[in-house]
Amino acid sequence: GAVVSQHPSRVICKSGTSVKIECRSLDFQATTMFWYRQFPKKSLMLMATSNEGSKATYEQGVEKDKFLINHASLTLSTLTVTSAHPEDSSFYICSAQGGGSPYEQYFGPGTRLTVT
Amino acid sequence: AQSVTQLDSHVSVSEGTPVLLRCNYSSSYSPSLFWYVQHPNKGLQLLLKYTSAATLVKGINGFEAEFKKSETSFHLTKPSAHMSDAAEYFCVVSNTGFQKLVFGTGTRLLVSP
Repeated sequence: GAVVSQHPSRVICKSGTSVKIECRSLDFQATTMFWYRQFPKKSLMLMATSNEGSKATYEQGVEKDKFLINHASLTLSTLTVTSAHPEDSSFYICSAQGGGSPYEQYFGPGTRLTVT
Repeated sequence: AQSVTQLDSHVSVSEGTPVLLRCNYSSSYSPSLFWYVQHPNKGLQLLLKYTSAATLVKGINGFEAEFKKSETSFHLTKPSAHMSDAAEYFCVVSNTGFQKLVFGTGTRLLVSP
């Protein structure tokens, strides 16, 4: 139980275009979802926290107009990278809270974004 | 502010030998601490957690960690490494409510036959 999926697993897009990444909790309702960014050989950095039906809370230094987060339902959150640039290339990971353990975050497998 | 420091970026062991991955934390109040493992192309998996109960925490796959407040440490150990343990390991500290996870920079465990 407590499975989180992400789609797509890999995406390549051209500079200036937008790309959407989906995060789904498959077998539980996620009251809160989180989006992280992982740079090569670096730790995960929390980008934003979202609660269903509310605006996302962004961490300091994360551009909310560039990284649009929507948490439309208790099982789906989306991250849209708008006007992507090569420096946005990274590994994006989502997690969801609300499964069996009240405090545990269940992580998705990640999405590798490459902007050319 | 909370932070964790993973003292080794890489640890190499032979199969069947003990594993020690080191983590020191900094927190202005009683922390909650976690170890996660990341296998290639898979999501982060929780190995174990400390949330102010017993200081010796047992996790999955034979891993355990001991919370030592006097040393501000939360080292991860396993008596005997398996090839399948080769992965990236993250030490994580959390605020109350477990919403803000602060990750260490990770330790890559290499297991040789």
